[in-house]
Amino acid sequence: DIVMTQTPLSLSVTPGQPASISCKSSQSLLHSDGKTSLFWYLQKPGQPPQLLIYEVSNRFSGVPDRVSGSGSETDFTLKISRVEAEDVGVYYCMQTTQLPVTFGGGTKVEIK
Amino acid sequence: QVRLVQSGTEVKEPGASVMISCEASGYTFPSYSIHWVRQAPGQGLEWMGVIDPSDGSTTYAQKLHDRLTMTRDTSTSIVNMELSSLRSEDTAVYYCTRELGQWGQGTLVIVSS
Repeated sequence: DIVMTQTPLSLSVTPGQPASISCKSSQSLLHSDGKTSLFWYLQKPGQPPQLLIYEVSNRFSGVPDRVSGSGSETDFTLKISRVEAEDVGVYYCMQTTQLPVTFGGGTKVEIK
Repeated sequence: QVRLVQSGTEVKEPGASVMISCEASGYTFPSYSIHWVRQAPGQGLEWMGVIDPSDGSTTYAQKLHDRLTMTRDTSTSIVNMELSSLRSEDTAVYYCTRELGQWGQGTLVIVSS
């Protein structure tokens, strides 16, 4: 199975400041079809996860452009350029390049 | 719009089975796979498996494959997930999700004697 490792475990950010979360996979996520199936989610308390980013860098419908994803092969990053109160929750990366689908352990983001 | 509505909270004794339904609407049901993901209290996300509604084919996580069954009814656009031989560690919120994009509201399953 592909192991997804997220850092840091938690992040406390002043509103208006940037935040960055790293996700590393134990194998390359580049599929033979040329796609890299790396996704980012935000789970707010008491809610299901909501998709933010698909295929490394594509924002899902309704996601603000201050949220961005980047990376390749085994190293990926989610960045929030200016953190707002609505960004609080746990962020997960996930890969679907190879079954079973696997998730990172999560990064909890709080507001200072 | 795409909606996935799941059945309600279940409380089961160890050794029993639980079936959770996921009713899809707002799109062409056979065209998108449905995954199931669970989350134990205070823990992360665990992928359980996936069903292709067009032909009913399934792929299950290895650790669950002997206890897990996913089925679909194309006439009602419902996917069912059944987990048998329940143990306390199966206590979790269970989510269905359309290709890991849109998610249902979650179903809490409590396994306790």
